[in-house]
Amino acid sequence: EDKVVQSPLSLVVHEGDTVTLNCSYEVTNFRSLLWYKQEKKAPTFLFMLTSSGIEKKSGRLSSILDKKELFSILNITATQTGDSAVYLCAVRFYNFGNEKLTFGTGTRLTIIP
Amino acid sequence: GAVVSQHPSWVICKSGTSVKIECRSLDFQATTMFWYRQFPKQSLMLMATSNEGSKATYEQGVEKDKFLINHASLTLSTLTVTSAHPEDSSFYICSARDLEGAKYEQYFGPGTRLTVL
Repeated sequence: EDKVVQSPLSLVVHEGDTVTLNCSYEVTNFRSLLWYKQEKKAPTFLFMLTSSGIEKKSGRLSSILDKKELFSILNITATQTGDSAVYLCAVRFYNFGNEKLTFGTGTRLTIIP
Repeated sequence: GAVVSQHPSWVICKSGTSVKIECRSLDFQATTMFWYRQFPKQSLMLMATSNEGSKATYEQGVEKDKFLINHASLTLSTLTVTSAHPEDSSFYICSARDLEGAKYEQYFGPGTRLTVL
């Protein structure tokens, strides 16, 4: 069964801390892994990863994919209260010729001032 | 950047009525649109994949007769919840894939919150 698992489910840290969010997956015909940030409405795109070992970076956020071990991490350094959100990991794959995007349950990150 | 809109943002209806939700790609063409449902504190669950000009592909457990999807143009897909019941109350989100998106990226709409009384 295709699945995407995120950990931890919830994380509370102080402003300025660095956090690492985890995403592991088991899918057939993997194509890419995506990270999204969801606040009160629909998710906003952060990163798309297709190749192992290549770090993607955007400001204080960075992410990397390990296709051998089937996982990805999302790092946030020097966290700010505006980083509080649910972070979703999604994996794009093909299933019987149909393209699918399966989401993990998300990690709820809370930054305490 | 690519923008996807949904209408309405929030709808409250009586049990037994039908509700139509529109998803539009505003500045790009989308051959494929996806419909998701999200219950409180849960992740997005794919309901169906909508391809322009053809029938939608529904995920297992999603009733195609209850959730009617129409993708009549490259910029518009609609989801109609027929004979809605309180258990259909949820946050419905659509996303659209750019026709020229070789690098692949799904752009999400802002979502529609459906409350069925």
